[in-house]
Amino acid sequence: SYELTQPLSVSVALGQTARITCGGHNIGNSNVHWYQQKPGQAPVLVISRDSNRPSGIPERFSGSNSGNTATLTITRAQAEDEADYYCHVWHGTTVFGGGTKLTVL
Amino acid sequence: QVQLQESGPGLVKPSETLSLTCTVSSASISSYYWSWIRQSPGKGLEWIGYIYYSGSTNYNPSLRSRATISVDTSKNQFSLKLSSVTAADTAMYYCASGGSGWYDNWGQGTLVTVSS
Repeated sequence: SYELTQPLSVSVALGQTARITCGGHNIGNSNVHWYQQKPGQAPVLVISRDSNRPSGIPERFSGSNSGNTATLTITRAQAEDEADYYCHVWHGTTVFGGGTKLTVL
Repeated sequence: QVQLQESGPGLVKPSETLSLTCTVSSASISSYYWSWIRQSPGKGLEWIGYIYYSGSTNYNPSLRSRATISVDTSKNQFSLKLSSVTAADTAMYYCASGGSGWYDNWGQGTLVTVSS
């Protein structure tokens, strides 16, 4: 079965750039979606189809996907960006990454 | 903005069937794909399956033998039944809009505990 690998945790200083990776075999050939989940809340879509930001998502969220790695980038990270982030692809079945806890220092 | 709301018992006994319903508002269920996703306490997301309004379904292979998703277009609802539950099925259950693409709207989730 297809697997997505995310780092368990990423830390970023307030106002700096955070990058969260999602690794998978030839993931660059798939559409990757990203969700943000804050404690006690449902996930929220922040990036669809590798790099598309839904309405209402701040411009500081961006995504890229190539080769075996997709990346969610948060520029000028804010305190409210502290959350768990999950990547997601469709590979004959929905596959989620294990999630990355982003800490804003 | 599409809104989704899960409902159903919060406590289910082992070996029994878990039944949940998702009510969709501000959109017709007859226009999209609809999914169930769960999250065990402190764990990641696990897709259960999706249904199209026509009734066609697709399930996570690991749950296919126990999960059934159905749709009631007259009520703008879709439902999940998960049979023969164990403690491992204790989780927050979310309904969401989307099938094989992205999930752009989620319900708030409902916690289901499996315990005698």
